[in-house]
Amino acid sequence: KNEVEQSPQNLTAQEGEFITINCSYSVGISALHWLQQHPGGGIVSLFMLSSGKKKHGRLIATINIQEKHSSLHITASHPRDSAVYICAVVARRTDKLIFGTGTRLQVFP
Amino acid sequence: EPEVTQTPSHQVTQMGQEVILRCVPISNHLYFYWYRQILGQKVEFLVSFYNNEISEKSEIFDDQFSVERPDGSNFTLKIRSTKLEDSAMYFCASTGIGEKLFFGSGTQLSVL
Repeated sequence: KNEVEQSPQNLTAQEGEFITINCSYSVGISALHWLQQHPGGGIVSLFMLSSGKKKHGRLIATINIQEKHSSLHITASHPRDSAVYICAVVARRTDKLIFGTGTRLQVFP
Repeated sequence: EPEVTQTPSHQVTQMGQEVILRCVPISNHLYFYWYRQILGQKVEFLVSFYNNEISEKSEIFDDQFSVERPDGSNFTLKIRSTKLEDSAMYFCASTGIGEKLFFGSGTQLSVL
């Protein structure tokens, strides 16, 4: 079983829809990252969380440390949001980043 | 915004050859990482580097792999004797304390 699980694996949406991607993990962590990988392969870090909630533009990330769960929300989705979204956790007392398998999002006009 | 740069963008090599992948992290960052992604699979952690030494490495990072920060700006990953299964996209990343990660655009390594 993967230490970091994401759901759904694939997601399609119409432009304007509200999107939620979930991440559950089974290890103790010191931080959690949400990453975006575009079709060309480049990876961009969206958020680093250790508690609570962060917002940047149309993106919101939350984390519940007790439940070992994080969500990434996209409000008013747009075709340019189409990408793979990856959850990755920093295992506690290490530098090791453990990656989820990613959620492939396609937003259609 | 500052960038992590990686060279080359593509590298083709014969099995058994040595390759060196190069990265220039963001200048005031303290923590450096190498990751890889085999086609169609998830990203995997290889190694982290802090204060001029390896701080953590994965099971993948065996004796064939080494990292160096030779001159205070470059951060290199060397694979001594490449195998077919080393074919992957290799990403370098750097960060400061409490910051998010900054990734390079990757080096696509193809071992023939």
